[in-house]
Amino acid sequence: NAGVTQTPKFQVLKTGQSMTLQCAQDMNHNSMYWYRQDPGMGLRLIYYSASEGTTDKGEVPNGYNVSRLNKREFSLRLESAAPSQTSVYFCASTDRPGGRIANYGYTFGSGTRLTVV
Amino acid sequence: QKEVEQNSGPLSVPEGAIASLNCTYSDRGSQSFFWYRQYSGKSPELIMFIYSNGDKEDGRFTAQLNKASQYVSLLIRDSQPSDSATYLCATKAAGNKLTFGGGTRVLVKP
Repeated sequence: NAGVTQTPKFQVLKTGQSMTLQCAQDMNHNSMYWYRQDPGMGLRLIYYSASEGTTDKGEVPNGYNVSRLNKREFSLRLESAAPSQTSVYFCASTDRPGGRIANYGYTFGSGTRLTVV
Repeated sequence: QKEVEQNSGPLSVPEGAIASLNCTYSDRGSQSFFWYRQYSGKSPELIMFIYSNGDKEDGRFTAQLNKASQYVSLLIRDSQPSDSATYLCATKAAGNKLTFGGGTRVLVKP
């Protein structure tokens, strides 16, 4: 099993350019997430999708949009990239929708290193 | 104040010693607690989860939870150089979102 696959692995953008980060999982998970990781800041949630057809904002959604294309795929779009969006982006997925105590952690993709100049 | 606090380190331990990592959280609604290990340039991988007060052991790892004190810890026994990594503490409240701390960098010296 591939698990969670992210593309691209590296990207350099100029300020104002747009791009879409792709994420796909083959574990039949219901929930998917986009995090960004900056030095000393840990992982911060950008957007998430609890189940197919739903998306919600996380802690740092400004400047981003998402699409849950189907159960497998969850994409993150930067409409007009800014240097503050230079970061490592991780997609993750898990099963067991919320509402019960869940002991399941996330499975993470390998990350996308994005630099905005 | 961050919802999940960790000492950034680095925590330097000699090979064979016990590494003790601490994490405090502010959301009393937190129900499950996770420890992830992240090697430099890699993605986080789950090593432990705990949801009941007390200790949970898995191999060389022991997670400890004290909900009254809003405190969770991770002990790594017989530390090896391969344990050198950043360890992320995460909490889950109702729903399925994880909130992460900033991570503690651990260096195990031969």
